[in-house]
Amino acid sequence: AQKITQTQPGMFVQEKEAVTLDCTYDTSDQSYGLFWYKQPSSGEMIFLIYQGSYDEQNATEGRYSLNFQKARKSANLVISASQLGDSAMYFCAMREGPGTASKLTFGTGTRLQVTL
Amino acid sequence: EPEVTQTPSHQVTQMGQEVILRCVPISNHLYFYWYRQILGQKVEFLVSFYNNEISEKSEIFDDQFSVERPDGSNFTLKIRSTKLEDSAMYFCASSLRMGHAYEQYFGPGTRLTVT
Repeated sequence: AQKITQTQPGMFVQEKEAVTLDCTYDTSDQSYGLFWYKQPSSGEMIFLIYQGSYDEQNATEGRYSLNFQKARKSANLVISASQLGDSAMYFCAMREGPGTASKLTFGTGTRLQVTL
Repeated sequence: EPEVTQTPSHQVTQMGQEVILRCVPISNHLYFYWYRQILGQKVEFLVSFYNNEISEKSEIFDDQFSVERPDGSNFTLKIRSTKLEDSAMYFCASSLRMGHAYEQYFGPGTRLTVT
C-alpha cells in the first residue's frame, strides 16, 4: 500500500481563487509529521508547511493552510488567493516515528497550473 | 538565509564511470540526507547520515553507493559504477534535529545524466 497518495495528477485554478490539493496517508504510528513541498520548473524543493500528528490546530503559513483530518488520514493543502507564481508541482510527504525514523516518504505529486 | 548548496548542477557521465555529487549542508545542521527523483516520478529516499555514520538507507542504496562527510562542511554521494537507470535529479537535504517535527531543507539538486 502507498504511504502517501495524491490522486490529482494535475489541477487548474484561476488567479486569485483558492485551490485544495489532496493528500491521504497511511501509517500505524501515533507520532508522525506531514509536510508539503513545492517544486517549481527550476527543480528545487521548497518547504511550505508542516503538521504534526498531535497538533490540534490546522497549520497555516501565509496563504498556505493544511486541512488535517486525522480520522480520515488526510492532509490537504489549501492555497488561498492563487498567484501565477504558484504554478508548480506540489508534493505531500510524511515522516513517521518519534525519533529514529527520519526519512521523508513522498507522494507522486500534483501539478498545479494557475491561469489568468 | 542559510541554504543547502549542491555541485555540480548538472553532471553528464558515461555508463560505468564513478561520479561524486557534492553538498554543503546548512552549517549547524546535524542530519544529512540524499534523495533522488527520476524524471517525472516522485522523490525517493536514499540514505540518512548522522554522527559520521549511516542512520538509515533504502533498498535503492546498494553497494554501488556510498556517502561521506570528508570534512566539517561537505557531504558527498559517490556512485561507483554508474548505470543508465541512475540518471535522475539527486537532492541533498539537511535537518537540525531528527524527529518528525523538523523539516528537511533541500538543496537545488544535481541532475545526473548517464549515457
